[in-house]
Amino acid sequence: SQTIHQWPATLVQPVGSPLSLECTVEGTSNPNLYWYRQAAGRGLQLLFYSIGIDQISSEVPQNLSASRPQDRQFILSSKKLLLSDSGFYLCAWTTGERPYEQYFGPGTRLTVT
Amino acid sequence: EDQVTQSPEALRLQEGESSSLNCSYTVSGLRGLFWYRQDPGKGPEFLFTLYSAGEEKEKERLKATLTKKESFLHITAPKPEDSATYLCAVQGTNSGYALNFGKGTSLLVTP
Repeated sequence: SQTIHQWPATLVQPVGSPLSLECTVEGTSNPNLYWYRQAAGRGLQLLFYSIGIDQISSEVPQNLSASRPQDRQFILSSKKLLLSDSGFYLCAWTTGERPYEQYFGPGTRLTVT
Repeated sequence: EDQVTQSPEALRLQEGESSSLNCSYTVSGLRGLFWYRQDPGKGPEFLFTLYSAGEEKEKERLKATLTKKESFLHITAPKPEDSATYLCAVQGTNSGYALNFGKGTSLLVTP
């Protein structure tokens, strides 16, 4: 069966510091991968998605970037964090084919101080 | 642009008191409508996918239905362990690979 891992689980970082969040999927190959952010009182906001190892699309302009160094690994990064980057970051995967549903990881709680 | 509106924002039920959550949507060609359950501090857990109007799916005390404009998540005789936030999302045929989520309904079931 497929599993998705995220780390770290929680992170407290000062403003201006760099960020690296990691997501890894096991038990499948060539998944579509997604990064979402969930802020209090708001829905899930899609940040990036990748339908292949060399294809990453950004949905929201911001100081975050994403990379996919391996087929089943997705990294979310920032060179300098802002207070507004605080939130719950979720990674998800799907096969890209019907039935289309996305499966989410456990999330990373990021607090920027 | 795809839009999803969930109501109510919060719902409090007594154990055994059945009710329904609503998800209204607009999408240019529905590829799928999805229901998730999210517990505090955790990632959303997939519940159902509905593809076309008239479709229904059931799992334990939950039943999801779909029309051309909205979906309902019916909760029959809920238990305290059903307390969670329930999220609805749609994927349109023109929205690429993205899911567009509503803000969710926070459900509290008291003994």
